[in-house]
Amino acid sequence: DAGVTQSPTHLIKTRGQQVTLRCSPKSGHDTVSWYQQALGQGPQFIFQYYEEEERQRGNFPDRFSGHQFPNYSSELNVNALLLGDSALYLCASSLARLSTDTQYFGPGTRLTVL
Amino acid sequence: DAKTTQPTSMDCAEGRAANLPCNHSTISGNEYVYWYRQIHSQGPQYIIHGLKNNETNEMASLIITEDRKSSTLILPHATLRDTAVYYCIVLYGNKLVFGAGTILRVKS
Repeated sequence: DAGVTQSPTHLIKTRGQQVTLRCSPKSGHDTVSWYQQALGQGPQFIFQYYEEEERQRGNFPDRFSGHQFPNYSSELNVNALLLGDSALYLCASSLARLSTDTQYFGPGTRLTVL
Repeated sequence: DAKTTQPTSMDCAEGRAANLPCNHSTISGNEYVYWYRQIHSQGPQYIIHGLKNNETNEMASLIITEDRKSSTLILPHATLRDTAVYYCIVLYGNKLVFGAGTILRVKS
């Protein structure tokens, strides 16, 4: 049973560019959440997708956008990259119908903005 | 968002029990306490969660006080591979709100 997978593993971009990160949820899960983790800090919630719609959003600018596909996989897009966007981007999946809603994380994508 | 307070770091001898405390005095009645850990630059790993009763699984035990204002994660026989940052989180709606966590160092 495959867990949460993310691609790519590492990515280097320059300021002003755009980036797309991808996530495949754990088998049977239908909800995907994205988190940003800057060096030395805990992960910060970006947004969550369920039924192909953004269900909840954290305190991130509109440059951060996402999408969920019918197969529950998800993309995170970041436009007009800033140096401060350099971070580990984590995807977590869960099953919406469970009241406890445990989220399982993927290995992350390390984004470096030069 | 319910706030949690954890010690910055703790040391534990290999083979001994590691007891990691967490304060969450503003927790609401229907909010769960979750524990995750993160080994250097990997994705956080789910450990255990609970509402009001004590919980145990193959990884750890979770002891929640009767007033639910604090909890303790217990790793019964710590190994060097348990060295990690441990996060105590109160699930707020659909999002996990991470604090700084506790750096647990298991030493031989």
